[in-house]
Amino acid sequence: DTEVTQTPKHLVMGMTNKKSLKCEQHMGHRAMYWYKQKAKKPPELMFVYSYEKLSINESVPSRFSPECPNSSLLNLHLHALQPEDSALYLCASSQEDGSDEQYFGPGTRLTVT
Amino acid sequence: RKEVEQDPGPFNVPEGATVAFNCTYSNSASQSFFWYRQDCRKEPKLLMSVYSSGNEDGRFTAQLNRASQYISLLIRDSKLSDSATYLCVVFPAGGSYIPTFGRGTSLIVHP
Repeated sequence: DTEVTQTPKHLVMGMTNKKSLKCEQHMGHRAMYWYKQKAKKPPELMFVYSYEKLSINESVPSRFSPECPNSSLLNLHLHALQPEDSALYLCASSQEDGSDEQYFGPGTRLTVT
Repeated sequence: RKEVEQDPGPFNVPEGATVAFNCTYSNSASQSFFWYRQDCRKEPKLLMSVYSSGNEDGRFTAQLNRASQYISLLIRDSKLSDSATYLCVVFPAGGSYIPTFGRGTSLIVHP
């Protein structure tokens, strides 16, 4: 089973809203990732969690706040977003080492109005 | 020079054709390489890992050329369902968690 699940599939939010994106995997992977992808561009890495600890933050604005409650779950809390934050947000996981294959979830398509 | 470069295409080929894409990388110490396939408005899906000895899976063959710093993906007997964007992903040496994605190569297979 190489499944990563994400909820919700679609999200529309205003600039003053607070919302959260959720990601789950049950493959026993110890590394989990958040990516942002705009149309016709490759995914851009935002955060990496390794063994439930934040190991990489790619200079992401503080209006994005990641959380890893346990080894299977990854959240991305959103607050005071801007319209330019509208994108596909992808979660991924990998076995352990950073250079392993990554498995992506279906993504959350976010629109900020 | 960009770290990872791909010809964006599109590559427009008839069903049954053989098509090949290359992906060049600038960091000679890079150690892990992958091909992903991404359909429109969907997530990237792992297609193949690229090993030093090459890798073949059915109609798909991936090769690594360290001397010239590129990886390749060959698709034989193209199917309509192969139409997608193919992304190459490169990890630098040292177990870095930060992959570098190419921009992707668009493939359109027509009847």
